[in-house]
Amino acid sequence: GAVVSQHPSWVICKSGTSVKIECRSLDFQATTMFWYRQFPKQSLMLMATSNEGSKATYEQGVEKDKFLINHASLTLSTLTVTSAHPEDSSFYICSAASGRAGNEQFFGPGTRLTVL
Amino acid sequence: EDQVTQSPEALRLQEGESSSLNCSYTVSGLRGLFWYRQDPGKGPEFLFTLYSAGEEKEKERLKATLTKKESFLHITAPKPEDSATYLCAGRGGYSTLTFGKGTMLLVSP
Repeated sequence: GAVVSQHPSWVICKSGTSVKIECRSLDFQATTMFWYRQFPKQSLMLMATSNEGSKATYEQGVEKDKFLINHASLTLSTLTVTSAHPEDSSFYICSAASGRAGNEQFFGPGTRLTVL
Repeated sequence: EDQVTQSPEALRLQEGESSSLNCSYTVSGLRGLFWYRQDPGKGPEFLFTLYSAGEEKEKERLKATLTKKESFLHITAPKPEDSATYLCAGRGGYSTLTFGKGTMLLVSP
């Protein structure tokens, strides 16, 4: 149990375009989903926390107009990188928590974004 | 500000050579210390959660321990398939995770 999927697993796009990444909890309902970014040999950095049906809470320094997060249902959250630039190239990872006791986060496999 | 520091950054072991990875943390109102394994190009895979000093948890060749300032991940008689990056994270009062940079473990046959 506790499987989280992401789609796509990798994407290459041109500078200025927008990219949408999906995160799904496959076998549980995720009351909270998290979006992280990881640069090579660096730690996972939390970008934002989203609860189903409400606006996402962004970490300091993360532009909410650039990284649009939608948590439309208990099994789906999307991250849209708008007007992507080469510096947005990174590994984006989502995680989901069910809200039960323990509240462990289960991570998706990640999406490698490369902006040319 | 919550901080999690892992050492060493990288560790190379021979198969069967036991060792420990260190995670030092300063997390306000700690509500869990987490260990994850991450393979290249993949998301983190949950290993353990520890909640209070003195707690220990085991899974196959791995054992995690917790003190008030540190956590250790002990690897007993590692195998090449244990090669991965091991991440430590602390959950504080806001329920978000603060991750360390990880220890990259390479186990040679």
